[in-house]
Amino acid sequence: AQTVTQSQPEMSVQEAETVTLSCTYDTSENNYYLFWYKQPPSRQMILVIRQEAYKQQNATENRFSVNFQKAAKSFSLKISDSQLGDTAMYFCAFSPPPKLVFGKGTKLTVNP
Amino acid sequence: GAVVSQHPSRVICKSGTSVKIECRSLDFQATTMFWYRQFPKQSLMLMATSNEGSKATYEQGVEKDKFLINHASLTLSTLTVTSAHPEDSSFYICSAILMTSGLYEQFFGPGTRLTVL
Repeated sequence: AQTVTQSQPEMSVQEAETVTLSCTYDTSENNYYLFWYKQPPSRQMILVIRQEAYKQQNATENRFSVNFQKAAKSFSLKISDSQLGDTAMYFCAFSPPPKLVFGKGTKLTVNP
Repeated sequence: GAVVSQHPSRVICKSGTSVKIECRSLDFQATTMFWYRQFPKQSLMLMATSNEGSKATYEQGVEKDKFLINHASLTLSTLTVTSAHPEDSSFYICSAILMTSGLYEQFFGPGTRLTVL
């Protein structure tokens, strides 16, 4: 079975600081994708960042970057210069395309 | 970017009635759409895969006779909750697949909050 584990139910960070959210997954697949989605209070799912498993280079999108360790099956999200608008639930997701398997989520609060 | 809409955004119904939720891809065609269910403070659970022109594929434990899915066109999938009961109250989210540059991406609708009295 393919599973995604987010071990941090809740985290908080001060505005402008850096925070890292953890995610591990379990799969026997070799070709897959990993995603981080953000779900703000509006509950609209928003794609934050995507990583193709065949790429060794870690993905980055502005203030968001990942640390992808394929052998360890680890996929953490680093948010730099945290902003109040980053307050949301963050879901790690594993994809043997086209399906998505979600972790339980981490509630991130950015404090002023 | 690709936009997916859902209608209605909120619905309240009486126990025993049926409710239909629509999911539309507004600016692209989607042969595959997904339906998810999300309970408060929990993650998204995949209910079924909706394929245009064919029967939906349901995840284990999801009652196909209770959650009817129709994907009649490349831009519309519907989820009908039949004989709704209070335990069906939840947040239902759809997504549509768009393939760009050889990569799949799921675009999500804004969700529908169903309350069954």
